[in-house]
Amino acid sequence: EAQVTQNPRYLITVTGKKLTVTCSQNMNHEYMSWYRQDPGLGLRQIYYSMNVEVTDKGDVPEGYKVSRKEKRNFPLILESPSPNQTSLYFCASRPGLAERIYEQYFGPGTRLTVT
Amino acid sequence: AQKVTQAQTEISVVEKEDVTLDCVYETRDTTYYLFWYKQPPSGELVFLIRRNSFDEQNEISGRYSWNFQKSTSSFNFTITASQVVDSAVYFCALAVGTSGTYKYIFGTGTRLKVLA
Repeated sequence: EAQVTQNPRYLITVTGKKLTVTCSQNMNHEYMSWYRQDPGLGLRQIYYSMNVEVTDKGDVPEGYKVSRKEKRNFPLILESPSPNQTSLYFCASRPGLAERIYEQYFGPGTRLTVT
Repeated sequence: AQKVTQAQTEISVVEKEDVTLDCVYETRDTTYYLFWYKQPPSGELVFLIRRNSFDEQNEISGRYSWNFQKSTSSFNFTITASQVVDSAVYFCALAVGTSGTYKYIFGTGTRLKVLA
C-alpha cells in the first residue's frame, strides 16, 4: 500500500530533551516536507526536501533540523524542544515535478507535547 | 506575497443542506496550483482536488463541486446535500513555484459541522 508513515504518532516529552520524528514514504517520491498544524493557523511548512541531500527552510524552521540521506526517509529533529513546539506535525511527499503531480500526500500526523 | 484566506472559521448546517466553503488566494505568479484537503475528526489529511491556473473549468465529483474563478481569485468548494460524514476541517492550499521548486501555502481551514 502506497503510504507515508510517521513515528511516533503521539509523544510527550520535556523541555530540552532531543527527539526525532521519523517519516518514511514507499512511493519513490522526490519531494518531502514537514508541516506543523496549530489552531487558527492552519498548516505551516517547516522544512522541505527536493531530493536526497537537498533541503531548504519553509516558513517556520526555527528550532528544527532535518536530513535527507535516503530518498524514502525525512526525519524531523528537535535538538532542544520547547513548549511552543507543542503541535500536530505532518510529513508529506509528492513525486518530482516531471511527473506533473503537484498535490502532496500526508502522513497520519504526530501529536507532540512538550512540557 | 502569497496568501490563502478561508474567512469562514466554522460553519454548521443541517444534513441535506448545501454548503459552500470559500477560499480566496493571492499570488502574482501566473502559474500556480490550488488544492482542497479534508481533515476528518480522525486527523489525517485527505487530498480532494487539484486545479492549475490555466484551467478554469469547474469540476463536479459526486456531491462535491468546485468553482474556480481567476477574476476574483477564488476557489470555492460546494457540498450538495451534506451528510454527517462530511463533518471535518477543510483546507484550501496554493502552490507557487520558481526554479523547479514549489512553495505550499495553506489557509487556516474551515470547520464544517453537519448536524443530523
